[in-house]
Amino acid sequence: NAGVTQTPKFQVLKTGQSMTLQCAQDMNHNSMYWYRQDPGMGLRLIYYSASEGTTDKGEVPNGYNVSRLNKREFSLRLESAAPSQTSVYFCASSEEAYINEQFFGPGTRLTVL
Amino acid sequence: QQQVKQSPQSLIVQKGGIPIINCAYENTAFDYFPWYQQFPGKGPALLIAIRPDVSEKKEGRFTISFNKSAKQFSLHIMDSQPGDSATYFCAARFYGKLTFGQGTILTVHP
Repeated sequence: NAGVTQTPKFQVLKTGQSMTLQCAQDMNHNSMYWYRQDPGMGLRLIYYSASEGTTDKGEVPNGYNVSRLNKREFSLRLESAAPSQTSVYFCASSEEAYINEQFFGPGTRLTVL
Repeated sequence: QQQVKQSPQSLIVQKGGIPIINCAYENTAFDYFPWYQQFPGKGPALLIAIRPDVSEKKEGRFTISFNKSAKQFSLHIMDSQPGDSATYFCAARFYGKLTFGQGTILTVHP
């Protein structure tokens, strides 16, 4: 089992460009999450999907959109990247949002120039 | 709005020492309090967790102490080793969503 995988590992964008971060899990989990990690800020929830077909905003959703493509995959899209979105992005999954621990992917380091 | 406050930001101990990391929370509806360990270039991994009806939980060298009335909880690492050098995050869960503390960078010198 690969667990939670994320692509790409690194990305450099120019201001205004768009991109999609991909996440997939092979643990048959129902819930998936996107976080961003910034120095001194911990991890902050961007969006989450409690189950296939549902998505909800987290603490910092502005400038992002998500798609729960199927049970395995949850993508994060930046429509018009801004320097403030320079961060490390983590995807996570859990069997059930209200009960179980979250498993994290290896992260995507994004720089917006 | 930061609902979980973690201290200290960084901590340096000698091998065998007992580093202690503290967290305080505001929302009394939090129902689960995990600690995550993160090594450079990796994603966070669950270390140990506690529910608010328990005052202490121990797993190997790691212990969580929980004080519900003070709305505080802490992580103790017994007999710390250089391999414990990492960033540690406390977190609290409400309605299925985790709120993380700011993180503590722990360095254990040989």
